[in-house]
Amino acid sequence: AQSVTQLGSHVSVSEGALVLLRCNYSSSVPPYLFWYVQYPNQGLQLLLKYTTGATLVKGINGFEAEFKKSETSFHLTKPSAHMSDAAEYFCAVSRLSGNTPLVFGKGTRLSVIA
Amino acid sequence: DAGVIQSPRHEVTEMGQEVTLRCKPISGHDYLFWYRQTMMRGLELLIYFNNNVPIDDSGMPEDRFSAKMPNASFSTLKIQPSEPRDSAVYFCASSPQGAGGYTFGSGTRLTVV
Repeated sequence: AQSVTQLGSHVSVSEGALVLLRCNYSSSVPPYLFWYVQYPNQGLQLLLKYTTGATLVKGINGFEAEFKKSETSFHLTKPSAHMSDAAEYFCAVSRLSGNTPLVFGKGTRLSVIA
Repeated sequence: DAGVIQSPRHEVTEMGQEVTLRCKPISGHDYLFWYRQTMMRGLELLIYFNNNVPIDDSGMPEDRFSAKMPNASFSTLKIQPSEPRDSAVYFCASSPQGAGGYTFGSGTRLTVV
């Protein structure tokens, strides 16, 4: 069965600092991997996704993630944090394709300090 | 495109009452998913549909929960009778064939007192 582990339920960074949110997955088949962001009182929005091909994936708002099969990781990064990045971030894995149910991690709350 | 539309946004009900949550997916999306979000358990898949047919309802917690999709543009999640432990945010999401990734609605915050 597929599963996702997000290391750190809460990450705090200073404005302008590097953002690094960690995600490790477990999958018996080549995974499709996703990062979503949730702002307060809103639904989840897709940040980026990895399906096949290039392992470095660029998403919206300056975020990117790198699929590392050997480490079973899909960490999310952004070079310089903005106040507007404060939100909850979810990593998710899909079994075979984007149309089979996503299994979500517990989420990481990102705080950005001025 | 109006996105995935859920109603109501907030629902407060008394224990034992019937609750119906509604979802309108994005036109042309063949898959529809219902998730529940709580602090303790995170995001849990309850049920999903493909072309209006329920595919997997193993996440539905009890017989008190039921979901229907009578046509491609509408789905409901019903809880009868409701209990305080059902209090959560319920999300609906839809997805097209082969595109990958979901579009989520804004959710329904359910409080059962």
